[in-house]
Amino acid sequence: KAGVTQTPRYLIKTRGQQVTLSCSPISGHRSVSWYQQTPGQGLQFLFEYFSETQRNKGNFPGRFSGRQFSNSRSEMNVSTLELGDSALYLCASAWGQETQYFGPGTRLLVL
Amino acid sequence: TQLLEQSPQFLSIQEGENLTVYCNSSSVFSSLQWYRQEPGEGPVLLVTVVTGGEVKKLKRLTFQFGDARKDSSLHITAAQTGDTGLYLCAGYKGSARQLTFGSGTQLTVLP
Repeated sequence: KAGVTQTPRYLIKTRGQQVTLSCSPISGHRSVSWYQQTPGQGLQFLFEYFSETQRNKGNFPGRFSGRQFSNSRSEMNVSTLELGDSALYLCASAWGQETQYFGPGTRLLVL
Repeated sequence: TQLLEQSPQFLSIQEGENLTVYCNSSSVFSSLQWYRQEPGEGPVLLVTVVTGGEVKKLKRLTFQFGDARKDSSLHITAAQTGDTGLYLCAGYKGSARQLTFGSGTQLTVLP
């Protein structure tokens, strides 16, 4: 089976812009979670989607949003980018309640 | 404040040495997972521990879950250069689907 794929792998944006990141889960997985990883804060949970519904949400501002499509693919959007949004954004998919499989991440740099 | 505290934060050892990484919390977790992450990649699951007092072995890696399910340790015997990476513990609290990560231990094994 193909693993979790994320596009793009690298992205450079400027403050104030918005960005959309994409995640394709492992075939058959219906849960997709998003995480932000920074050197200072480590890995932090953003949100989880299951069957097109947001099931859990972390403690991030409303500028961070996401959605899931009927084929389980997911996108996350960050509006009005700030310098502090520079991070590695990781997507993970799961079939059931436990094991999450991570993609390689999208590295976002905000200038 | 991190819910899961890992120590040490950095560890540099010679090939062949043994090491232990700790993951501690004041909260009870329904399960704890250990991941290894290499540069430019997402975390890869090593093991999941579920039962208090549980010990799992994966070749030269030994994982232990504390009796009270608040802490865990990872012991590596005879470290190899291929063990180099960022080791992360992560856990689910109760029925919540939100995975909480520790701050990570950056391990460097020198030849």
